[in-house]
Amino acid sequence: QVQLQESGPGLVKPSQTLSLTCTVSGGSISSGGYYWSWIRQHPGKGLEWIGYIYYSGSTYYNPSLKSRVTISVDTSKNQFSLKLSSVTAADTAVYYCARGRASPDWYFDLWGRGTLVTVSS
Amino acid sequence: QSVLTQPPSVSAAPGQKVTISCSGSSSNIGNNYVSWYQQLPGTAPKLLIYENNKRPSGIPDRFSGSKSGTSATLGITGLQTGDEADYYCGTWDSSLSAGDVVFGGGTKLTVL
Repeated sequence: QVQLQESGPGLVKPSQTLSLTCTVSGGSISSGGYYWSWIRQHPGKGLEWIGYIYYSGSTYYNPSLKSRVTISVDTSKNQFSLKLSSVTAADTAVYYCARGRASPDWYFDLWGRGTLVTVSS
Repeated sequence: QSVLTQPPSVSAAPGQKVTISCSGSSSNIGNNYVSWYQQLPGTAPKLLIYENNKRPSGIPDRFSGSKSGTSATLGITGLQTGDEADYYCGTWDSSLSAGDVVFGGGTKLTVL
């Protein structure tokens, strides 16, 4: 079955760029109809959607994070990635990659286990 | 402050039924489908309900969803201790010029 796994540094310094990768196994990231997404959860808080990428490369970002977010895809490696620039302590969170469906409406049917990223000097 | 409003906590005894509400507006729940997620302690969220009332394969029919106007409800019957978790609702919100996926603040279910 399809599985998602996040990877990347668990500690990032303030003002630097957070970089995470999600590896999709058991299925192709190029399968149509799925929106490969990033979602984060601040410690003890709720969920915040960061954005998505379609296998074709089209992206959509949360308006509140848009100026700092870049999501890219590497179909040859079956991976998609997140870059969040100019991080502060407020970006400390568990970051999840997830498979989104948008027809007829949005939901996330598959999630990675999540990875904690701490922003600290 | 979440766009969707959920009660912070609910509780009920094993075997009983509980409902969790999710309140929004015409820019989100009122015009879009709602999904629900279960997050067991220390784990990732898991899809429970999509398109208001549909259950993914493997989700028992003890879990149900409904929507009326600008509110949605998750129902759980035959409560088990293993149902203790945080529950989140989610939907699309078009209040900004560019839309956004939004979630409720989460509801902690305690099975007494």
